[in-house]
Parts: sequence; structure tokens; C-alpha cells
Amino acid sequence: SQQGEEDPQALSIQEGENATMNCSYKTSINNLQWYRQNSGRGLVHLILIRSNEREKHSGRLRVTLDTSKKSSSLLITASRAADTASYFCATDEGAQKLVFGQGTRLTINP
Amino acid sequence: EAGVTQSPTHLIKTRGQQATLRCSPISGHTSVYWYQQALGLGLQFLLWYDEGEERNRGNFPPRFSGRQFPNYSSELNVNALELEDSALYLCASSLERGRSNEQFFGPGTRLTVL
Repeated sequence: SQQGEEDPQALSIQEGENATMNCSYKTSINNLQWYRQNSGRGLVHLILIRSNEREKHSGRLRVTLDTSKKSSSLLITASRAADTASYFCATDEGAQKLVFGQGTRLTINP
Repeated sequence: EAGVTQSPTHLIKTRGQQATLRCSPISGHTSVYWYQQALGLGLQFLLWYDEGEERNRGNFPPRFSGRQFPNYSSELNVNALELEDSALYLCASSLERGRSNEQFFGPGTRLTVL
């Protein structure tokens, strides 16, 4: 079953703008991870945020987590053409498996 | 440090055949996970191996099986292939169970069943 639901399903912005993607989930989690996937290839791990954390940064990435609303957001600042990809959130409910959302397809226009 | 590797990159089979996919985890990682990414179905958890044992499996029929070797590499076997098994199969590894479960993925094997 798909736990995370990303919003929007597709996002198209101009290079240099910021991109924000949201993820909602249904059950309690240990942590939430964001991944990037280019053109149906492997997933690149971007960032992990634990259930007791509220915000985390990595370079141009900023992730927030609101466990009361069961939601997370991924912000990419100063977007580049190379950021064009699909972005997935994945929740760890326990039992070691990750449950993925359907993803947000991000297109950066030059 | 080398990442997760998978082979082959592409695999073409016909219905009823068997497919074997291979995965080598990041050095030092003991857990290996398999996921299926089929068109329109998203990423689905298949199997988790740790220390040579199958620890958890997703909602897939028994013809999906695998194993983990003493060097922590893993094989995924799909028997009696069906057309709907066509998908990208992703392998991931993590340091050890019970911790953050930060999973790192390989490039995938694209299986096409004709």
C-alpha cells in the first residue's frame, strides 16, 4: 500500500526559482526519507528526518516534518536544470520496509 | 566508496521463464532490500534480507524469492514470469537493522517480459 502521498504530482518552474513538494502519510513513523529519481533509474537518497526532528537542511535542500499533521515538505532553493527528476518521500513504519508515495515530477525550465 | 551495484542493467525474458537479478550492497552494509517499480503502481517493497535470512516480504506471490550470500550480496529470483512482472527492480542496502533504516539504492535492473 502507498503510505505517502506527494503533492503536487507534477511541478514545472523556471531555473533559479524555489520548488516545494509536500508529502502526507497516514500512520506513525520512525523517520521519513526523500529520494530523487532521474528518468526511471535508481533512487538517490537526499535526506532523512527522524520523527523527533522538525527541520533539516542539506545544501540547497530543506525538509520539514510535522508529525501532528502527518506531513513533510521538501524545499529546493535556487533550482537548476539538473534538479529535473521525480521526487519521492518514503516512510519507515517499522519492519524495515519503506513505503513510498507516487512521487512529484519536477521540471526545471532553463 | 562504491555504492550499491546491480546486474544486469537490462533483462529480457519470455513468459514462463525464470529471471535472476543480482545485487551487491555498500561495503559494511548487512541488510539488502528489493523493491519493484512497475508502471502505474509505484515502488513496492518486495523482500528484506539481513545476515543471510529473509526477514520480511511484501505482498508478492511465492514465485518471487531470493537469498543473501555470506558476503551480503543478494539474488532475486522470479519464476514463471508473467507479463505484469515487467518493471524496474531496485535493490537497496542499509547499515544494520534496528537503526535509522537509511536505505541506499542501486541503479536498478529493468526486466521486460515478452
